[in-house]
Amino acid sequence: TQLLEQSPQFLSIQEGENLTVYCNSSSVFSSLQWYRQEPGEGPVLLVTVVTGGEVKKLKRLTFQFGDARKDSSLHITAAQPGDTGLYLCAGATQGAQKLVFGQGTRLTINP
Amino acid sequence: DAGVIQSPRHEVTEMGQEVTLRCKPISGHNSLFWYRQTMMRGLELLIYFNNNVPIDDSGMPEDRFSAKMPNASFSTLKIQPSEPRDSAVYFCASSAAGTMAAGEQYFGPGTRLTVT
Repeated sequence: TQLLEQSPQFLSIQEGENLTVYCNSSSVFSSLQWYRQEPGEGPVLLVTVVTGGEVKKLKRLTFQFGDARKDSSLHITAAQPGDTGLYLCAGATQGAQKLVFGQGTRLTINP
Repeated sequence: DAGVIQSPRHEVTEMGQEVTLRCKPISGHNSLFWYRQTMMRGLELLIYFNNNVPIDDSGMPEDRFSAKMPNASFSTLKIQPSEPRDSAVYFCASSAAGTMAAGEQYFGPGTRLTVT
């Protein structure tokens, strides 16, 4: 069974601080996606990484795929209240359509 | 453009009753996924379809759950009989990815099911 473990599960910080969320597995994934979910809504895709060592930036968010394609991180610089939400990582294996989701990191940015 | 549409948004029912959740995927998407989300278990894939055909239903909890996709624009998830442990938010998602890769999935707003 493929599992994705996210850490931390909960994070509450002040506006302007930096933070990193981790997504780890013992399995190799062909691609990894990060989603953000707000209360009462479905998850929305932020980014997909497919190459080991790949780094992608989305404004203040930086995503990295591990060299061995078993882990990923999300770094937020100068967090803002609008970044509040549930962040989910999801992995896919080669030739498979279905995604395996991590448990999520619930992030709260306090003004 | 309309996103994935789910109905109802909220459903409260008594144990033993039949519950039917509905989903309209994004037009042109060929894959449809049903998920269940709870605090304890997170987001779990129940079943997914490619071109209206069920491909993997290994996540369906038990025989009380069934899903159909009679055409490209409609799918249902049925629970009969419902139990309190089925209380969760159920999401439908669709994707335009090919059958050999996991592409971006577009999620609906979910149906919050409460079984008393």
